[in-house]
Amino acid sequence: GAGVSQSPRYKVAKRGQDVALRCDPISGHVSLFWYQQALGQGPEFLTYFQNEAQLDKSGLPSDRFFAERPEGSVSTLKIQRTQQEDSAVYLCASSLRVQGAASDYGYTFGSGTRLTVV
Amino acid sequence: DQQVKQNSPSLSVQEGRISILNCDYTNSMFDYFLWYKKYPAEGPTFLISISSIKDKNEDGRFTVFLNKSAKHLSLHIVPSQPGDSAVYFCAASEWTGNQFYFGTGTSLTVIP
Repeated sequence: GAGVSQSPRYKVAKRGQDVALRCDPISGHVSLFWYQQALGQGPEFLTYFQNEAQLDKSGLPSDRFFAERPEGSVSTLKIQRTQQEDSAVYLCASSLRVQGAASDYGYTFGSGTRLTVV
Repeated sequence: DQQVKQNSPSLSVQEGRISILNCDYTNSMFDYFLWYKKYPAEGPTFLISISSIKDKNEDGRFTVFLNKSAKHLSLHIVPSQPGDSAVYFCAASEWTGNQFYFGTGTSLTVIP
């Protein structure tokens, strides 16, 4: 597609509910990232995929958070047993740039999914 | 611990004048830097990048300056236009790193 598409745009979940957030990256983009942005803060890294391989998940805040990209394109971020502190905008970004490669590509972000846990 | 800091939460500039947005970082291993622009209800949009082998990079009205010794970078917008009004984030990474560290953003208002 022309850009990174995320769905849903908005999600309200009751505390304890499981949610799944979807990201459709730009076709052909090797790298895919998930970031969490709390109100008034900058985005914070959650996890990184290179194709289907999850190379870094150091930013996932707890074992309730799980991400996958099984075919190296669409990715899903799943949050189990949501808590109020999970309320944030979840951003997905993709890039042609492979980490460690000498290239200067930027990253394209989606519009995000705003998750509100009540 | 915030490794990338944008100490000015907001900035107002007259149309046609220069806008200067500043960013400081603490990790000397960072060697790749990006600036993003964000409108409300949209994701951040990539503006310009710079790697540590350069001290300046230009793209149209946007210029990024990097001072490695001071661990400081700045974004210059000349001339500023009302459509530039947005929140600007700087982000830093190690060249081989998997993640970017973002500042908290500076809200720029360009007054017509």
